[in-house]
Amino acid sequence: GQNIDQPTEMTATEGAIVQINCTYQTSGFNGLFWYQQHAGEAPTFLSYNVLDGLEEKGRFSSFLSRSKGYSYLLLKELQMKDSASYLCAVVDSNYQLIWGAGTKLIIKP
Amino acid sequence: ETGVTQTPRHLVMGMTNKKSLKCEQHLGHNAMYWYKQSAKKPLELMFVYNFKEQTENNSVPSRFSPECPNSSHLFLHLHTLQPEDSALYLCASSQDQGSGGGEQFFGPGTRLTVL
Repeated sequence: GQNIDQPTEMTATEGAIVQINCTYQTSGFNGLFWYQQHAGEAPTFLSYNVLDGLEEKGRFSSFLSRSKGYSYLLLKELQMKDSASYLCAVVDSNYQLIWGAGTKLIIKP
Repeated sequence: ETGVTQTPRHLVMGMTNKKSLKCEQHLGHNAMYWYKQSAKKPLELMFVYNFKEQTENNSVPSRFSPECPNSSHLFLHLHTLQPEDSALYLCASSQDQGSGGGEQFFGPGTRLTVL
């Protein structure tokens, strides 16, 4: 079967750095997305990785290792507004999006 | 209006009611999606439409009936639902369905409660 694993919940401190991991076992791979979803709101796109390596976009970076079936989202200089759920999703060989259950990130002052 | 809009935002219905959820995208996209989001579970893809044609139906019970009259509008008709159908229903669109559709743009969702 196809599976995406992410931690259910993480807590971090304002101003710190946090890394949210995502591991996947899918039938094929055609890219990996990270989305952010604030409570009661729509998920919004953060990043897309299809090649190995690190993609940096401001305070957020996303890393991919296809050989390890592994990605992480790195958030730097955490702000209270970063409190949200972070969803990992993989595009499989049929170009279907397989979603993880999301990681709820709690930021404390 | 910009992006993806959904109405209503909240809906409470009895098991014998018939209601419809509406989604509209103002992005010129060709693919539209219905998802179900339950607490602490992955997003569940329900239906996909590409150029108004249904391309995916992930074994969704017939009490959920989608309709896509054009590339900008998507409906989900609800009939004789069960309490376990209570969830957030999200609509999304993307440029097309290839490569996972590229980036998907989501609406704010309809919070459905079935009594």
